[in-house]
Amino acid sequence: QQPVQSPQAVILREGEDAVINCSSSKALYSVHWYRQKHGEAPVFLMILLKGGEQKGHEKISASFNEKKQQSSLYLTASQLSYSGTYFCGTGTGGGNKLTFGTGTQLKVEL
Amino acid sequence: NAGVTQTPKFQVLKTGQSMTLQCAQDMNHNSMYWYRQDPGMGLRLIYYSASEGTTDKGEVPNGYNVSRLNKREFSLRLESAAPSQTSVYFCASSALGQGGLEQYFGPGTRLTVT
Repeated sequence: QQPVQSPQAVILREGEDAVINCSSSKALYSVHWYRQKHGEAPVFLMILLKGGEQKGHEKISASFNEKKQQSSLYLTASQLSYSGTYFCGTGTGGGNKLTFGTGTQLKVEL
Repeated sequence: NAGVTQTPKFQVLKTGQSMTLQCAQDMNHNSMYWYRQDPGMGLRLIYYSASEGTTDKGEVPNGYNVSRLNKREFSLRLESAAPSQTSVYFCASSALGQGGLEQYFGPGTRLTVT
Protein backbone atom coordinates (compact mmCIF):
# COMPACT_ATOMS: atom_id res chain seq x y z
CA GLN A 1 0.00 0.00 0.00
CA GLN A 2 1.33 3.40 -1.01
CA PRO A 3 2.18 5.96 1.68
CA VAL A 4 -0.19 8.91 1.84
CA GLN A 5 1.16 12.37 1.12
CA SER A 6 -0.44 15.64 2.15
CA PRO A 7 -1.23 18.13 0.89
CA GLN A 8 -1.80 16.96 -2.67
CA ALA A 9 -0.94 20.40 -4.01
CA VAL A 10 0.22 23.73 -2.63
CA ILE A 11 0.92 27.16 -4.10
CA LEU A 12 3.42 29.44 -2.38
CA ARG A 13 4.70 32.93 -2.91
CA GLU A 14 8.47 33.16 -3.09
CA GLY A 15 9.92 33.30 0.42
CA GLU A 16 7.09 31.39 2.10
CA ASP A 17 7.53 28.11 3.95
CA ALA A 18 5.85 24.76 3.34
CA VAL A 19 5.57 21.36 4.98
CA ILE A 20 4.86 18.15 3.09
CA ASN A 21 3.82 15.08 5.06
CA CYS A 22 4.21 11.40 4.29
CA SER A 23 2.36 8.79 6.31
CA SER A 24 2.57 5.00 6.11
CA SER A 25 0.44 2.19 7.50
CA LYS A 26 3.54 0.03 7.87
CA ALA A 27 6.51 0.17 10.20
CA LEU A 28 9.25 2.02 8.37
CA TYR A 29 12.98 1.54 8.19
CA SER A 30 13.73 4.38 5.81
CA VAL A 31 12.14 7.35 4.09
CA HIS A 32 13.50 8.86 0.88
CA TRP A 33 12.49 12.22 -0.58
CA TYR A 34 12.68 13.07 -4.29
CA ARG A 35 11.68 16.08 -6.40
CA GLN A 36 10.52 15.82 -9.99
CA LYS A 37 10.16 18.73 -12.39
CA HIS A 38 7.70 18.50 -15.24
CA GLY A 39 8.89 16.18 -17.99
CA GLU A 40 12.02 15.19 -16.11
CA ALA A 41 13.22 12.31 -13.97
CA PRO A 42 12.91 12.35 -10.16
CA VAL A 43 15.98 13.70 -8.38
CA PHE A 44 17.11 12.55 -4.94
CA LEU A 45 16.87 15.02 -2.04
CA MET A 46 17.60 13.05 1.12
CA ILE A 47 17.22 9.80 3.07
CA LEU A 48 16.17 9.36 6.68
CA LEU A 49 16.87 6.07 8.39
CA LYS A 50 15.32 4.52 11.48
CA GLY A 51 17.20 5.77 14.50
CA GLY A 52 18.81 8.55 12.49
CA GLU A 53 18.72 12.27 13.07
CA GLN A 54 16.85 14.96 11.21
CA LYS A 55 18.47 15.77 7.90
CA GLY A 56 19.04 19.08 6.22
CA HIS A 57 19.97 20.22 2.76
CA GLU A 58 20.31 23.97 2.19
CA LYS A 59 16.84 25.31 3.08
CA ILE A 60 15.18 21.91 2.78
CA SER A 61 15.13 19.60 5.78
CA ALA A 62 13.17 16.55 6.89
CA SER A 63 12.20 14.63 9.99
CA PHE A 64 11.22 11.00 10.59
CA ASN A 65 8.91 9.91 13.40
CA GLU A 66 9.31 6.14 13.55
CA LYS A 67 6.57 5.61 16.12
CA LYS A 68 4.00 7.48 14.03
CA GLN A 69 5.36 6.01 10.79
CA GLN A 70 5.52 9.52 9.37
CA SER A 71 8.01 11.83 7.76
CA SER A 72 7.79 15.54 7.01
CA LEU A 73 9.71 17.62 4.48
CA TYR A 74 10.26 21.28 5.39
CA LEU A 75 10.93 23.89 2.74
CA THR A 76 11.87 27.29 4.12
CA ALA A 77 12.12 30.61 2.30
CA SER A 78 10.94 28.94 -0.89
CA GLN A 79 12.49 29.81 -4.23
CA LEU A 80 11.06 29.53 -7.74
CA SER A 81 13.40 26.58 -8.30
CA TYR A 82 11.58 24.60 -5.60
CA SER A 83 8.57 24.15 -7.88
CA GLY A 84 7.88 20.55 -8.83
CA THR A 85 6.31 17.38 -7.51
CA TYR A 86 7.71 15.94 -4.30
CA PHE A 87 7.59 12.22 -3.63
CA CYS A 88 8.35 10.26 -0.51
CA GLY A 89 9.53 6.69 -0.90
CA THR A 90 9.30 4.36 2.08
CA GLY A 91 11.32 1.27 2.88
CA THR A 92 10.11 -1.29 5.35
CA GLY A 93 13.20 -3.45 5.57
CA GLY A 94 16.92 -3.15 5.31
CA GLY A 95 16.89 -3.57 1.55
CA ASN A 96 16.59 -1.05 -1.22
CA LYS A 97 13.00 -1.56 -2.34
CA LEU A 98 10.83 1.54 -1.98
CA THR A 99 7.11 2.26 -2.15
CA PHE A 100 6.42 5.78 -3.36
CA GLY A 101 3.60 8.10 -2.40
CA THR A 102 1.37 9.74 -5.00
CA GLY A 103 3.22 13.04 -4.78
CA THR A 104 2.69 16.64 -3.69
CA GLN A 105 2.65 19.31 -6.40
CA LEU A 106 4.39 22.46 -5.23
CA LYS A 107 4.29 25.69 -7.19
CA VAL A 108 6.23 28.76 -6.12
CA GLU A 109 5.15 32.07 -7.62
CA LEU A 110 6.62 35.57 -7.52
CA ASN B 1 29.80 9.54 -16.91
CA ALA B 2 26.30 9.17 -18.42
CA GLY B 3 24.56 7.87 -15.25
CA VAL B 4 21.41 5.93 -16.16
CA THR B 5 20.42 5.78 -19.82
CA GLN B 6 17.19 4.47 -21.32
CA THR B 7 16.15 3.66 -24.87
CA PRO B 8 13.93 4.48 -26.58
CA LYS B 9 12.72 7.87 -25.32
CA PHE B 10 9.34 7.56 -27.04
CA GLN B 11 7.43 4.59 -28.43
CA VAL B 12 3.99 3.97 -29.88
CA LEU B 13 2.74 0.40 -30.02
CA LYS B 14 -0.41 -1.25 -31.22
CA THR B 15 -2.28 -3.55 -28.87
CA GLY B 16 -0.69 -7.01 -28.89
CA GLN B 17 2.74 -5.90 -30.08
CA SER B 18 5.81 -6.64 -28.04
CA MET B 19 8.84 -4.55 -27.21
CA THR B 20 11.82 -4.31 -24.90
CA LEU B 21 12.83 -1.20 -22.99
CA GLN B 22 16.56 -0.98 -22.43
CA CYS B 23 18.34 0.48 -19.40
CA ALA B 24 22.04 0.78 -18.63
CA GLN B 25 24.02 2.41 -15.82
CA ASP B 26 27.71 3.21 -15.60
CA MET B 27 27.94 3.88 -11.85
CA ASN B 28 28.84 0.28 -10.88
CA HIS B 29 25.59 -0.02 -8.93
CA ASN B 30 24.39 -3.39 -7.75
CA SER B 31 20.64 -2.66 -7.66
CA MET B 32 18.39 -1.67 -10.54
CA TYR B 33 14.67 -0.96 -10.76
CA TRP B 34 11.83 -0.45 -13.22
CA TYR B 35 8.97 1.91 -12.33
CA ARG B 36 5.93 3.13 -14.17
CA GLN B 37 4.45 6.56 -13.58
CA ASP B 38 0.82 7.35 -14.28
CA PRO B 39 -0.97 10.65 -13.53
CA GLY B 40 -2.05 10.78 -9.89
CA MET B 41 -0.45 7.42 -9.07
CA GLY B 42 3.13 8.38 -8.40
CA LEU B 43 5.89 5.89 -9.11
CA ARG B 44 5.00 2.22 -8.88
CA LEU B 45 7.65 -0.50 -8.82
CA ILE B 46 7.30 -3.10 -11.57
CA TYR B 47 10.40 -5.26 -11.00
CA TYR B 48 13.73 -4.81 -9.33
CA SER B 49 17.09 -6.53 -9.22
CA ALA B 50 18.91 -6.27 -5.91
CA SER B 51 22.10 -7.59 -7.45
CA GLU B 52 23.33 -9.20 -10.64
CA GLY B 53 21.66 -12.56 -11.17
CA THR B 54 18.56 -11.80 -9.10
CA THR B 55 15.20 -10.28 -9.99
CA ASP B 56 12.02 -9.88 -7.99
CA LYS B 57 8.49 -8.63 -8.51
CA GLY B 58 7.35 -5.23 -7.35
CA GLU B 59 3.84 -3.87 -6.91
CA VAL B 60 2.63 -4.10 -10.53
CA PRO B 61 4.50 -6.93 -12.36
CA ASN B 62 1.63 -8.37 -14.43
CA GLY B 63 2.23 -8.11 -18.16
CA TYR B 64 5.97 -7.51 -17.82
CA ASN B 65 9.17 -9.53 -17.73
CA VAL B 66 12.70 -8.43 -16.94
CA SER B 67 16.24 -9.55 -17.62
CA ARG B 68 19.31 -8.51 -15.67
CA LEU B 69 21.74 -9.04 -18.52
CA ASN B 70 24.84 -8.10 -16.53
CA LYS B 71 25.71 -5.64 -13.79
CA ARG B 72 25.18 -2.66 -16.10
CA GLU B 73 22.01 -3.59 -17.96
CA PHE B 74 18.43 -4.28 -16.92
CA SER B 75 15.74 -4.65 -19.58
CA LEU B 76 11.94 -4.62 -19.35
CA ARG B 77 9.83 -6.57 -21.83
CA LEU B 78 6.19 -6.19 -22.72
CA GLU B 79 5.15 -9.44 -24.40
CA SER B 80 1.70 -8.34 -25.56
CA ALA B 81 1.12 -4.63 -25.04
CA ALA B 82 -2.25 -3.39 -23.75
CA PRO B 83 -3.65 0.17 -23.60
CA SER B 84 -3.42 -0.06 -19.78
CA GLN B 85 0.36 -0.14 -20.18
CA THR B 86 0.41 3.37 -21.61
CA SER B 87 2.68 5.15 -19.16
CA VAL B 88 6.06 6.73 -18.55
CA TYR B 89 8.64 4.11 -17.60
CA PHE B 90 11.64 4.99 -15.47
CA CYS B 91 14.66 2.86 -14.81
CA ALA B 92 16.73 3.57 -11.70
CA SER B 93 19.83 2.24 -10.02
CA SER B 94 21.41 2.40 -6.59
CA ALA B 95 24.33 1.06 -4.66
CA LEU B 96 23.51 -1.73 -2.23
CA GLY B 97 23.40 -0.52 1.34
CA GLN B 98 21.59 -1.07 4.61
CA GLY B 99 18.35 0.84 4.55
CA GLY B 100 18.80 1.79 0.98
CA LEU B 101 20.84 4.41 -0.75
CA GLU B 102 19.72 7.10 -3.16
CA GLN B 103 18.27 5.94 -6.43
CA TYR B 104 19.40 7.55 -9.66
CA PHE B 105 16.75 7.72 -12.35
CA GLY B 106 17.05 7.59 -16.10
CA PRO B 107 15.26 10.13 -18.34
CA GLY B 108 12.25 7.87 -18.91
CA THR B 109 10.50 6.20 -21.84
CA ARG B 110 7.10 7.52 -22.85
CA LEU B 111 5.05 4.60 -24.15
CA THR B 112 1.66 4.84 -25.80
CA VAL B 113 -0.33 1.70 -26.63
CA THR B 114 -3.21 2.22 -29.06
